[in-house]
Amino acid sequence: EDQVTQSPEALRLQEGESSSLNCSYTVSGLRGLFWYRQDPGKGPEFLFTLYSAGEEKEKERLKATLTKKESFLHITAPKPEDSATYLCAVQGNTGGFKTIFGAGTRLFVKA
Amino acid sequence: EAGVAQSPRYKIIEKRQSVAFWCNPISGHATLYWYQQILGQGPKLLIQFQNNGVVDDSQLPKDRFSAERLKGVDSTLKIQPAKLEDSAVYLCASSLDHFRTDNSPLHFGNGTRLTVT
Repeated sequence: EDQVTQSPEALRLQEGESSSLNCSYTVSGLRGLFWYRQDPGKGPEFLFTLYSAGEEKEKERLKATLTKKESFLHITAPKPEDSATYLCAVQGNTGGFKTIFGAGTRLFVKA
Repeated sequence: EAGVAQSPRYKIIEKRQSVAFWCNPISGHATLYWYQQILGQGPKLLIQFQNNGVVDDSQLPKDRFSAERLKGVDSTLKIQPAKLEDSAVYLCASSLDHFRTDNSPLHFGNGTRLTVT
């Protein structure tokens, strides 16, 4: 069964303090690994799609990387506006290509 | 491009009552999803439509939940009768075409927050 585990559950950083969020996954035939950002009271907002091990994507202070078993979301010099819940999801090639989400990492960045 | 529209934003009902949620996906998106997100958890897929056909409803509690997508556009999700454990945010999402090789990401609405008392 496809599964996604994210760590840590919560992360508190000072502004400018770089760190990484982890997403470990098991999936039958990876079609894509997705990162989303979710603000309170809003739906998840798409950030990145990664398709194969070794791939990297960047957007402003965020960089996502992918291996065969996990993905990392690196946050460089975060700002308070980066505070949100970051969700990881995978889509496998079985069972109607369902997209399965992890529980998320809540990030708090203090000025 | 207009986003995914959902209504209502909030709903409070008593247990054993019924409730319905509405979703209008992004124009041209063939695939529509309903997810349930309980506080502190990630979204859990309830049902997935491709145009107006059901692709996956394996996690839908069919004794109380039902969903339809008329004419392959708008969709409604209904709960009857509601239980306390149904309190959650119900998210609708859409994507261009789920089964294309270069599949597109999901685009979410802001959800309906349901409280069952």
